[in-house]
Amino acid sequence: QVQLQESGPGLVKPSQTLSLTCAVSGDSMSSGGYSWSWIRQPPGKGLEWIGYIYYSGITHYKPSLKSRLSISVDTSKNQFSLNLSSVTAADTAVYYCARGGVRVVDEFDYWGRGTLVTVSS
Amino acid sequence: QSVLTQPPSVSAAPGQKVTISCSGSSSNIGDNYVSWYQQLPGTAPKLLIYENNKRPSGIPDRFSGSKSGTSGTGTLGITGLQTGDEAEYYCGTWDNILSAVVFGGGTKLTVL
Repeated sequence: QVQLQESGPGLVKPSQTLSLTCAVSGDSMSSGGYSWSWIRQPPGKGLEWIGYIYYSGITHYKPSLKSRLSISVDTSKNQFSLNLSSVTAADTAVYYCARGGVRVVDEFDYWGRGTLVTVSS
Repeated sequence: QSVLTQPPSVSAAPGQKVTISCSGSSSNIGDNYVSWYQQLPGTAPKLLIYENNKRPSGIPDRFSGSKSGTSGTGTLGITGLQTGDEAEYYCGTWDNILSAVVFGGGTKLTVL
């Protein structure tokens, strides 16, 4: 059974960098059959896709976040990471990692439980 | 404001049927597959429908999906409603112009 688990600080100060990691178990990322996405959900609001990465390291980011965003993969640890710089209160959200298709990247069949990140001084 | 438009809420009685629409355009739903997710309170979304009308294993056939040709509208149908179906439902797809995954704003289903 595929499982994803997010980890990282629950509180980040404004202007700093939000860093999260998603550990994948039950599937080897290097099998290459999937994309790996970050998705967030502000409290009481809807879902917002942030970006994805393939095991090869190829990434695709939401254009409006591209200047602040970096997603990387560590296939030796079977995990991928999110770095979002210059955060503001608008970045406060539950952050999910999810597995998508290699061709149809928006079909997310496995999700992590999510981790709440609050941006506040 | 979401790229994909869903009704904010729908309701129906137990045992009845409900449909949830997801309206987009030729650059998203009209040209790409639609997927649907169920989000129970306090939990992560769960994939219900992919490639417009396919169900992952373990999803009961009470849940169905369809897409209206190239008009840019997807529909989720739920029959035999149960109180456990009360949740937020989201549609999603790829947008060719935005070059991004886009979601609807979500529809809250109440089973009266």
